Amino acid sequence: GENVEQHPSTLSVQEGDSAVIKCTYSDSASNYFPWYKQELGKRPQLIIDIRSNVGEKKDQRIAVTLNKTAKHFSLHITETQPEDSAVYFCAASRSGGGADGLTFGKGTHLIIQP
Amino acid sequence: DSGVTQTPKHLITATGQRVTLRCSPRSGDLSVYWYQQSLDQGLQFLIQYYNGEERAKGNILERFSAQQFPDLHSELNLSSLELGDSALYFCASGGGNAYNEQFFGPGTRLTVL
Repeated sequence: GENVEQHPSTLSVQEGDSAVIKCTYSDSASNYFPWYKQELGKRPQLIIDIRSNVGEKKDQRIAVTLNKTAKHFSLHITETQPEDSAVYFCAASRSGGGADGLTFGKGTHLIIQP
Repeated sequence: DSGVTQTPKHLITATGQRVTLRCSPRSGDLSVYWYQQSLDQGLQFLIQYYNGEERAKGNILERFSAQQFPDLHSELNLSSLELGDSALYFCASGGGNAYNEQFFGPGTRLTVL
């Protein structure tokens, strides 16, 4: 089955700086890659996703890139703010996300230092 | 608020017992997914139902079962509970077709004593 590795497990950045979280996947048939943000005690919240036919996608301060050849994808957050502090999870699915469950990485605890 | 509802919010029970967790999907969503989140195992996919039928199975134990009813709400049944079953159980909903996003409910925190 699919295996998703996520790095780093903890990331501390100064407010206003950029943060990058990286994930690799094992199943070359995976074609949908969402990112979720989870605050303490809350539900995972979908923040951005990318399909395998796209290399990059942006939404305001958040961007995701996908390299299918290398089987890795990354989340980029620019101009970080205190409210960006949370745990971020990457995930992968081989059936487009809708027709199957998601395989998640172990998460990255992002800490924004004031 | 994702529009996905789950009850109860918290559940405390003893080993060997059986519990039922309930989930109502967003209006219009046909698919319900169940996930388990624990410190050691992370977020794990358990099972998916689409319009009343089981569609995909993940790392779901034989002691666990689920169903989706005609009104599309779903129940996850956990039996012969063990200490290790203590976790957050999330339900997510989506359209169920390829490239449909999954939206998570608030979760049920299960504590097995």
